[in-house]
Amino acid sequence: DTAVSQTPKYLVTQMGNDKSIKCEQNLGHDTMYWYKQDSKKFLKIMFSYNNKELIINETVPNRFSPKSPDKAHLNLHINSLELGDSAVYFCASSQGGSPLHFGNGTRLTVT
Amino acid sequence: SQKIEQNSEALNIQEGKTATLTCNYTNYSPAYLQWYRQDPGRGPVFLLLIRENEKEKRKERLKVTFDTTLKQSLFHITASQPADSATYLCALEMDSNYQLIWGAGTKLIIKP
Repeated sequence: DTAVSQTPKYLVTQMGNDKSIKCEQNLGHDTMYWYKQDSKKFLKIMFSYNNKELIINETVPNRFSPKSPDKAHLNLHINSLELGDSAVYFCASSQGGSPLHFGNGTRLTVT
Repeated sequence: SQKIEQNSEALNIQEGKTATLTCNYTNYSPAYLQWYRQDPGRGPVFLLLIRENEKEKRKERLKVTFDTTLKQSLFHITASQPADSATYLCALEMDSNYQLIWGAGTKLIIKP
């Protein structure tokens, strides 16, 4: 009974491709997030959705587009992948802001 | 400039001793400070939250202190065990928009 699950766990693709990462939470939380963790291990927020509405949209290239079909799902679509997009992407959820519950990450490698 | 700093080098502690990790910040006024544990290949897991008006918080073998004057939080694990080996992340929560600002984490290694 995984709380926050994201797929795939690994994603290897070539530059210029378009890919999606899916996230689902079964905790009944109203807020979901996408984070990027770079090689130095810093976690940086990319997007936050509250009840399917975008509430945080940090400075992220518009090649990244989140989609929330319902409050239990938040997917991330990435167009025209670049080498610099290689990182681990984490989905998370929370109720009322904190604490956060994270998925186990998707390691994206762009070659 | 605004910064959050955690020990960048790994911390090696002998089993049974107390491990103390530091989180320092500048030019922030957080309402809350949180600590998470991250194991390799996994997402961070929440451990403790401490509010700006709290000096100390405990949970089993864990203790967190928060000094808003020094702009520092200390995270203690008493009677450390090899299973406590992981990376520990601190995160500042600014205000009601729930946005967290994260440190890079400290890798803790407990040697048997």
